[in-house]
Amino acid sequence: DAKTTQPPSMDCAEGRAANLPCNHSTISGNEYVYWYRQIHSQGPQYIIHGLKNNETNEMASLIITEDRKSSTLILPHATLRDTAVYYCIVRVVGWGTNAGKSTFGDGTTLTVKP
Amino acid sequence: NAGVMQNPRHLVRRRGQEARLRCSPMKGHSHVYWYRQLPEEGLKFMVYLQKENIIDESGMPKERFSAEFPKEGPSILRIQQVVRGDSAAYFCASSPEGDGYTFGSGTRLTVV
Repeated sequence: DAKTTQPPSMDCAEGRAANLPCNHSTISGNEYVYWYRQIHSQGPQYIIHGLKNNETNEMASLIITEDRKSSTLILPHATLRDTAVYYCIVRVVGWGTNAGKSTFGDGTTLTVKP
Repeated sequence: NAGVMQNPRHLVRRRGQEARLRCSPMKGHSHVYWYRQLPEEGLKFMVYLQKENIIDESGMPKERFSAEFPKEGPSILRIQQVVRGDSAAYFCASSPEGDGYTFGSGTRLTVV
């Protein structure tokens, strides 16, 4: 698996955009970038994923650099409920044994402050 | 469509007992993954299974741990002769072919 590196912690003011970076310099051509978050001790929650184009959904935007070696998750208007650990992983999507496990790092603890 | 169901939510075992953790994947999902999360740490991959097959168990401890995903019924993670160091949250995730995970709420195992 390609590995990812993320800053251990970040703060963000409520109502402002939260930009969470992730480096994945060894990503392969068939690996997608996925973002999950874990609030307190709940199960991780899917946020967004992408291959090489920027993606947006109701929760967040994902910006992937042209060389695909890094990406940024953007929460456009952070709220207190967005305080969580955010995980960036890379994963093969498709058939076969390679389309399996992903390595979760320690993630980024985002603290949204009032 | 129910999500990934894990039970029990909380499990207390004495040292030396066996722990059995169950995971029912989402309907239509044929891939199951188990992750362990020690206190204050991130998720660590344990095992990846498809129906009746273990695809990747590179994250499983060599002894006392086993996993199965039978043709019928939930996936089971079994820990024999538990020790205090096994205390952790165990998360199961499932996915259909070629797509992302959906995680369950986890089982919190406490060994006393």
